[in-house]
Amino acid sequence: DTGVSQDPRHKITKRGQNVTFRCDPISEHNRLYWYRQTLGQGPEFLTYFQNEAQLEKSRLLSDRFSAERPKGSFSTLEIQRTEQGDSAMYLCASSLWGGNTEAFFGQGTRLTVV
Amino acid sequence: QQQVKQSPQSLIVQKGGISIINCAYENTAFDYFPWYQQFPGKGPALLIAIRPDVSEKKEGRFTISFNKSAKQFSLHIMDSQPGDSATYFCAALGSGGTSYGKLTFGQGTILTVHP
Repeated sequence: DTGVSQDPRHKITKRGQNVTFRCDPISEHNRLYWYRQTLGQGPEFLTYFQNEAQLEKSRLLSDRFSAERPKGSFSTLEIQRTEQGDSAMYLCASSLWGGNTEAFFGQGTRLTVV
Repeated sequence: QQQVKQSPQSLIVQKGGISIINCAYENTAFDYFPWYQQFPGKGPALLIAIRPDVSEKKEGRFTISFNKSAKQFSLHIMDSQPGDSATYFCAALGSGGTSYGKLTFGQGTILTVHP
């Protein structure tokens, strides 16, 4: 499968714990995006990378959130001291900037904070 | 804040009918308009997309109509099938300003096609 891969698919954690999600983009894609989606809403932009450089972070991304893409390939999204309001689907997408700009999404990681 | 407004929130059509979903945007610095289809528990899947230099694009049963002056675009699903039942999102990709490089999504339309 050469699509965008996210791991884990589901995560249940207790409030206050840290969680980390991983995204493996389509191999030749240089752009990688993180979005958050709550029930009944469209995806909301969190942050994106061009290769290994993080180009923008949304105001939605509090200082408890951090994302990395260390070698311009896979990316991780970490949430520290989780809160119930962090419960959502976290989506990763990738695209090839400068050419075909279609963004392809992974299956998402469903986070539930209890 | 840059916005894309989508309507209706939900839509019910009979099998074989036409489903129409509308979106309007405020930011003139958008230059690419995709539509995504999402099934429960899955990520959004790209369905069809259009650039503002084209007024219409058709792929199979799916057509995007684009009105640049009105800042509106719509998705038409011809001969709707029960398998088309899903949530549909319009989106816009920013070409400048605070929207640059990222997709802004509409709120979504839940489509139900009755057999």
